Amino acid sequence: GQQLNQSPQSMFIQEGEDVSMNCTSSSIFNTWLWYKQEPGEGPVLLIALYKAGELTSNGRLTAQFGITRKDSFLNISASIPSDVGIYFCAGQGGATNKLIFGTGTLLAVQP
Amino acid sequence: DGGITQSPKYLFRKEGQNVTLSCEQNLNHDAMYWYRQDPGQGLRLIYYSQIVNDFQKGDIAEGYSVSREKKESFPLTVTSAQKNPTAFYLCASSTSRASPLHFGNGTRLTVT
Repeated sequence: GQQLNQSPQSMFIQEGEDVSMNCTSSSIFNTWLWYKQEPGEGPVLLIALYKAGELTSNGRLTAQFGITRKDSFLNISASIPSDVGIYFCAGQGGATNKLIFGTGTLLAVQP
Repeated sequence: DGGITQSPKYLFRKEGQNVTLSCEQNLNHDAMYWYRQDPGQGLRLIYYSQIVNDFQKGDIAEGYSVSREKKESFPLTVTSAQKNPTAFYLCASSTSRASPLHFGNGTRLTVT
């Protein structure tokens, strides 16, 4: 199945630093979703984006729906140790309205 | 509290045995899904169901089967035909196919 290109694959940062990650696709999407998964748990929805150009925040997290509708970005400001986990993007659209997941970004935060 | 319950959390089976993973939701969601997650990979769709008594194959349905006899329940059977069944299995639900998915906490299946 098709997968999104998500980068970076992993990030190792110090507490307090800002974080940026992104997803790109060759297909146009109508919806972009960002999830966080902690070890041994299911992914939890962080932010949902429904409109090109949309910028949405959830606390220290901000995500944007790219103007081309082929990409999305997630920023985390002032990272803290509990931000540790794997962050997944997911795009939805096309004739089948299928949801496609990125391969994930592993975030490690050192206190 | 509303949510999605997957059981058991860990499951061990011998090769050649069928095994059924449970998924129950009390969110009154119409659509339910099964995904498989392997290390370093994104989530891959096994099966999905948009309504009771109807389900569709996802990208990697071979060796799996499902049923949707009740709105709340969407069990997944991993059959002996699945060549590489050891993985983390995630169940999800949504109000409709176009709505964001809400996930359960997964079942880790180990087949030896």
